[in-house]
Amino acid sequence: DTAVSQTPKYLVTQMGNDKSIKCEQNLGHDTMYWYKQDSKKFLKIMFSYNNKELIINETVPNRFSPKSPDKAHLNLHINSLELGDSAVYFCASSQETARTSENEQFFGPGTRLTVL
Amino acid sequence: ELKVEQNPLFLSMQEGKNYTIYCNYSTTSDRLYWYRQDPGKSLESLFVLLSNGAVKQEGRLMASLDTKARLSTLHITAAVHDLSATYFCAVANFGNEKLTFGTGTRLTIIP
Repeated sequence: DTAVSQTPKYLVTQMGNDKSIKCEQNLGHDTMYWYKQDSKKFLKIMFSYNNKELIINETVPNRFSPKSPDKAHLNLHINSLELGDSAVYFCASSQETARTSENEQFFGPGTRLTVL
Repeated sequence: ELKVEQNPLFLSMQEGKNYTIYCNYSTTSDRLYWYRQDPGKSLESLFVLLSNGAVKQEGRLMASLDTKARLSTLHITAAVHDLSATYFCAVANFGNEKLTFGTGTRLTIIP
């Protein structure tokens, strides 16, 4: 059973197009995240949702719009794709309980986006 | 702004040798994580460290945390080829659970 799944795994598209990436977790977690890994393998948080509410919104262009229809799903829609958007996008989830808890984040397999 | 630095960035070592990867972070944090990433794959959680002096071990990997020095280490004992991967440390705080990642250390074990 896949804990955190993403679709599609690969996405190749032209500049200017609009595309979506979907993420689902079956762990019962209440918090989900989107991270971007660039060509140098650097990982950076983009967004976080807790129980369908946006709680983290880093400095991301407003062409990126996350949506969480329920706490098991977090989708990422990207408008007017640019060359610099090419990266691997990882979804993750966690269950926060207390300051002393580990709050481990589980990552999905990633979506490799290539903008031509 | 929280910054997380790892060194070395690249590490090539022979099988059977020991080595240590270092992770420094700039401000007090509640949790320190170590992840492993194989080429083209996702991130696999290795360790979560919460308190000063915490030490965790799994097989040939051992992680430790010194919160006063804001330093974590990942020690590799008697390296084997299967440990070749990129290792990331990351920190997070209670109430703001985003992970701030280090730059990663690409480890290559040479037979």
